[in-house]
Amino acid sequence: EAQVTQNPRYLITVTGKKLTVTCSQNMNHEYMSWYRQDPGLGLRQIYYSMNVEVTDKGDVPEGYKVSRKEKRNFPLILESPSPNQTSLYFCASSPKGANQPQHFGDGTRLSIL
Amino acid sequence: QQQVKQSPQSLIVQKGGISIINCAYENTAFDYFPWYQQFPGKGPALLIAIRPDVSEKKEGRFTISFNKSAKQFSLHIMDSQPGDSATYFCAATSNYQLIWGAGTKLIIKP
Repeated sequence: EAQVTQNPRYLITVTGKKLTVTCSQNMNHEYMSWYRQDPGLGLRQIYYSMNVEVTDKGDVPEGYKVSRKEKRNFPLILESPSPNQTSLYFCASSPKGANQPQHFGDGTRLSIL
Repeated sequence: QQQVKQSPQSLIVQKGGISIINCAYENTAFDYFPWYQQFPGKGPALLIAIRPDVSEKKEGRFTISFNKSAKQFSLHIMDSQPGDSATYFCAATSNYQLIWGAGTKLIIKP
């Protein structure tokens, strides 16, 4: 089954404690992206990756890091989380870019206390 | 220039009625306009998308109308059903960055 898998689904943690949200896709897609969803703001793009070892900033990259060492994986790293990063996070992938249908994971709800 | 403005924020429609959600954009470089549907606890899923070389695209009960000169596009859901109750997002992109509207919570009353 074609899918994008995120882990964990839920996480409550404290300010400053480094965390990683993993994302994996099994569709051999080149393009992967991270979004955060906040009430009234829709989804905002954090980082995206056009292919292995190629990443770029989206609209809200501050406080986040990503890496793309393998085609299937695109982890999101919060080196020193702060309360304003409390949000619902989605990973997505598509064959080539944002101008093609994106497949989304089911989300990771992060609470930073 | 990067914004996509979506309205209304929420919408209640009777079963069998027509649901209409509108979006406006500013960046004339955008060349792909998708609509995503999101149910609670799930990620968004592509519903229908259009490119600016056509003015309308229909898939079943869902239609996108696109007005390039006005820089507006809209989603029409015909014969709306309770199962259509969800949050709908419009979006726009020119290549690698997808810009999203704020979303519309649609409720279909039985």
